[in-house]
Amino acid sequence: DGGITQSPKYLFRKEGQNVTLSCEQNLNHDAMYWYRQDPGQGLRLIYYSQIVNDFQKGDIAEGYSVSREKKESFPLTVTSAQKNPTAFYLCASSSTGENEKLFFGSGTQLSVL
Amino acid sequence: EDQVTQSPEALRLQEGESSSLNCSYTVSGLRGLFWYRQDPGKGPEFLFTLYSAGEEKEKERLKATLTKKESFLHITAPKPEDSATYLCAVQMRTSGSRLTFGEGTQLTVNP
Repeated sequence: DGGITQSPKYLFRKEGQNVTLSCEQNLNHDAMYWYRQDPGQGLRLIYYSQIVNDFQKGDIAEGYSVSREKKESFPLTVTSAQKNPTAFYLCASSSTGENEKLFFGSGTQLSVL
Repeated sequence: EDQVTQSPEALRLQEGESSSLNCSYTVSGLRGLFWYRQDPGKGPEFLFTLYSAGEEKEKERLKATLTKKESFLHITAPKPEDSATYLCAVQMRTSGSRLTFGEGTQLTVNP
């Protein structure tokens, strides 16, 4: 089945620790995205990538880093500089044509110990 | 500043009681407006894309409409399984394929 796989489903971070969230897609999409969702709020864009080996900051990139070494993969690292990391993280992908819709993974819930 | 505002924040309906959700936007150069459904603890699921004022799309009990300033998601005779958060998002001509989301409307349909 084609889709987007995020792992793990739940992740706990200790203070001062970096953690990496995995996102893999087999939809052959060029573009991939990371969004953050806080309780009762909409999605805010962290980073996005329209092509391999290139990515751009979204609206709330501080404290996060990404890489795009393969078309299928777009991991997100939450660094120790992100002081309020507790949130639901969503990965998405799309084709890059006009009006292309985003397909979302099932999310990772990150909590701070 | 580009903004997407959804109302109400929460809506509680009885089964069969029709209503509408609103998404108003102030963006320059709208390319498309998207509606998604999100169940608790899951990723959003695509419902509709609307491209131009006057356009309407339907799927089962849902109908989405678009004007130059807002979009409505009409729910006709809802069932408890329609309970979810409904998210509206806009895609601008200057922003490539990225979406800007509203804060969502949490819909509860009681049997």
